[in-house]
Amino acid sequence: DSGVTQTPKHLITATGQRVTLRCSPRSGDLSVYWYQQSLDQGLQFLIQYYNGEERAKGNILERFSAQQFPDLHSELNLSSLELGDSALYFCASSPSGQGAYHEQYFGPGTRLTVT
Amino acid sequence: ELKVEQNPLFLSMQEGKNYTIYCNYSTTSDRLYWYRQDPGKSLESLFVLLSNGAVKQEGRLMASLDTKARLSTLHITAAVHDLSATYFCAGDSNYQLIWGAGTKLIIKP
Repeated sequence: DSGVTQTPKHLITATGQRVTLRCSPRSGDLSVYWYQQSLDQGLQFLIQYYNGEERAKGNILERFSAQQFPDLHSELNLSSLELGDSALYFCASSPSGQGAYHEQYFGPGTRLTVT
Repeated sequence: ELKVEQNPLFLSMQEGKNYTIYCNYSTTSDRLYWYRQDPGKSLESLFVLLSNGAVKQEGRLMASLDTKARLSTLHITAAVHDLSATYFCAGDSNYQLIWGAGTKLIIKP
């Protein structure tokens, strides 16, 4: 158990809908990362937040958005869903303080199925 | 811009054999990370290599880092079926990890 929690574990929804995925980082970790992993694909980095601020952006679609709240939990919002958005979505956290190395601890993931 | 390349991307081997997965990276990366992922599961951190010449071992897995050659290796000794998984390496760049494509390892009895 990495200490990172994600809800829900599974989500089935229809095209055109909007969903919200939630992540709670490990205690004390300030950075949260979101990744998408499609079937048999590698990890696609979506976005990183550090202490409430967006720090880095990867291949995140405009239909997707995220935020990190004052209590450091994060939410990833996916809207106008398409079949191709079906994937595993991982959240990871790391300390990311000055001088810290950036080992990331991954949550169990949310499996999103768009029908 | 840091780029990370793993090879091979797919490896099928027999139990009891030794093999090495290679991770090359394009520019300076102070640290190198190895992760394991079982099918449909999350990623688990295996090793964090912090400096040139670093070597870490856990059971039948050994990872090393050569920053001059920009190369890290993950060596599997006397493979067993339980090591079947996908292995990812990643380098540090601007507060985020840059990931290799992953090596899918299948170990046959």
